[in-house]
Amino acid sequence: NAGVTQTPKFQVLKTGQSMTLQCAQDMNHEYMSWYRQDPGMGLRLIHYSVGAGITDQGEVPNGYNVSRSTTEDFPLRLLSAAPSQTSVYFCASSNSNQPQHFGDGTRLSIL
Amino acid sequence: DAKTTQPTSMDCAEGRAANLPCNHSTISGNEYVYWYRQIHSQGPQYIIHGLKNNETNEMASLIITEDRKSSTLILPHATLRDTAVYYCIVSDSNYQLIWGAGTKLIIKP
Repeated sequence: NAGVTQTPKFQVLKTGQSMTLQCAQDMNHEYMSWYRQDPGMGLRLIHYSVGAGITDQGEVPNGYNVSRSTTEDFPLRLLSAAPSQTSVYFCASSNSNQPQHFGDGTRLSIL
Repeated sequence: DAKTTQPTSMDCAEGRAANLPCNHSTISGNEYVYWYRQIHSQGPQYIIHGLKNNETNEMASLIITEDRKSSTLILPHATLRDTAVYYCIVSDSNYQLIWGAGTKLIIKP
């Protein structure tokens, strides 16, 4: 199994551009989450999903959209990139009462 | 979700037991204690979790005080590969975790 796969691994954007960070899991997990991690800090929850068709906001949802049309995929969209969104983004998945599995992250720079 | 307090950093000699403390004085009755670690900016890795009882697995042991206001993660025989940031998190939901800054554990040869 591949586990949680995030693409791309690195990305540089200009302010105002939009893009989608991809996340896919092959473990048939119900729950999926997106986090961002700024230097020297812990992860902050952006959005999460408890199943296909269901999403909800986390701590820092502004500037990001998500959708969950399938169990496997949970893309994160940046609508209009801002320098404050420069960060490392992690996707995670799990089943109820089971630990989260994380992807390797997407390192995003906004110029 | 309750917040946790961890030391910013700790050192431990290779081969010795590493004991990482965590305070969670406002923990609720239905909240679990989770421990994850992050090695060199990789994706976080699950270590162990517990509710009331002490837990042990192949990676570590988790000791939770009787009043549940604090816990200790024990790595019994630390190796250089255990150098990482260790996060203690309390939550009633395993998919809505609130992360602090963690403890940077450095294992010294």
